[in-house]
Amino acid sequence: KNQVEQSPQSLIILEGKNCTLQCNYTVSPFSNLRWYKQDTGRGPVSLTIMTFSENTKSNGRYTATLDADTKQSSLHITASQLSDSASYICVVSAKYTGRRALTFGSGTRLQVQP
Amino acid sequence: DAGITQSPRHKVTETGTPVTLRCHQTENHRYMYWYRQDPGHGLRLIHYSYGVKDTDKGEVSDGYSVSRSKTEDFLLTLESATSSQTSVYFCAISYSEGTDTQYFGPGTRLTVL
Repeated sequence: KNQVEQSPQSLIILEGKNCTLQCNYTVSPFSNLRWYKQDTGRGPVSLTIMTFSENTKSNGRYTATLDADTKQSSLHITASQLSDSASYICVVSAKYTGRRALTFGSGTRLQVQP
Repeated sequence: DAGITQSPRHKVTETGTPVTLRCHQTENHRYMYWYRQDPGHGLRLIHYSYGVKDTDKGEVSDGYSVSRSKTEDFLLTLESATSSQTSVYFCAISYSEGTDTQYFGPGTRLTVL
């Protein structure tokens, strides 16, 4: 069964600090991995997408890494801001089509405090 | 929210009553999805549509039905709402299926008493 596990479940950091969120997956055959950001009361928004051949991808202060051998990904947030307070969801796509293609993690809830 | 609206945004209903949630898109995307989001479970697929009148079940489809008579509208119906269907429901769209980026609506918070 395809699974995506995220850690930690929740995290509190001070504004200006860095943090790293983890995603481990057992999805096969692997196609790509996305990180979504979900603000409270809103739908998720895609931050990055990584394919098998990509190790690192940045989007502003967000940097995602992928180790396809160990089936792990991380999302690093640099110089956190209050607006980074949100849930971050890891979503892994398999190489087949249809409803079974996506597996969602349960998310990491990040709170940035002043 | 990528041209996606959901209505209503909030609803409180009683057990046993029928409920219909609407998703409307202006992007002309072929694929549309309904998810529910519950604490500790993440997003779970209820039903999805790959074209007008073409739908398929997701992993948690029991108790739900869908219809898509136009490209822009995807309806989710709870025939007889139960308390276990209290959740936040998200609609999503994508240009192509499977591995493509999905764009999510703002969500509908449904409470079944």
